[in-house]
Amino acid sequence: ELKVEQNPLFLSMQEGKNYTIYCNYSTTSDRLYWYRQDPGKSLESLFVLLSNGAVKQEGRLMASLDTKARLSTLHITAAVHDLSATYFCAVDSNNDMRFGAGTRLTVKP
Amino acid sequence: NAGVTQTPKFQVLKTGQSMTLQCAQDMNHNSMYWYRQDPGMGLRLIYYSASEGTTDKGEVPNGYNVSRLNKREFSLRLESAAPSQTSVYFCASSDTSWPVYNEQFFGPGTRLTVL
Repeated sequence: ELKVEQNPLFLSMQEGKNYTIYCNYSTTSDRLYWYRQDPGKSLESLFVLLSNGAVKQEGRLMASLDTKARLSTLHITAAVHDLSATYFCAVDSNNDMRFGAGTRLTVKP
Repeated sequence: NAGVTQTPKFQVLKTGQSMTLQCAQDMNHNSMYWYRQDPGMGLRLIYYSASEGTTDKGEVPNGYNVSRLNKREFSLRLESAAPSQTSVYFCASSDTSWPVYNEQFFGPGTRLTVL
């Protein structure tokens, strides 16, 4: 059964600091997705990673995928308050999507 | 272009009542999904439809049924609601073709409370 684990589940950061969120999954898959959810809102897509070694960057966020290690990372550079949200990774196994539990990020001034 | 729409936004049911959650997308996507979100558990897949005319069980299908009415619409039915089905329900759709494969677009959600 496909399992997706994220850590940490809670992350409190100071503005300007860097940190990494980890997403491990249990089965072979070349398709990994990162989403953001603001409190009380729906999810929006951040990154689509479709091959080993894929790296995508958008602003202060950078995501990477290592399919051999079954690991994806979401790196936050010089955090700002606007990045406060919950971040989910999701893995696609033949259309059966499994999400991690989410990382609730709080960026403090 | 409304994207993915869901109705209703909020619903309160009594145990044993039935209801149908509606979802529609206007992006001409092939695949549609129903998830539930409970605190601390991320999203769990209930059912999905990879294409019009097909449906498949996800991780937590018990107590639910679905209908892919046409390419645009995918409904979720609770035949006999239970308090354990209190949750936020999200519908999503995706293209499943290159280059974005299964990047999902989510509706605003339905907050369901079962008393």
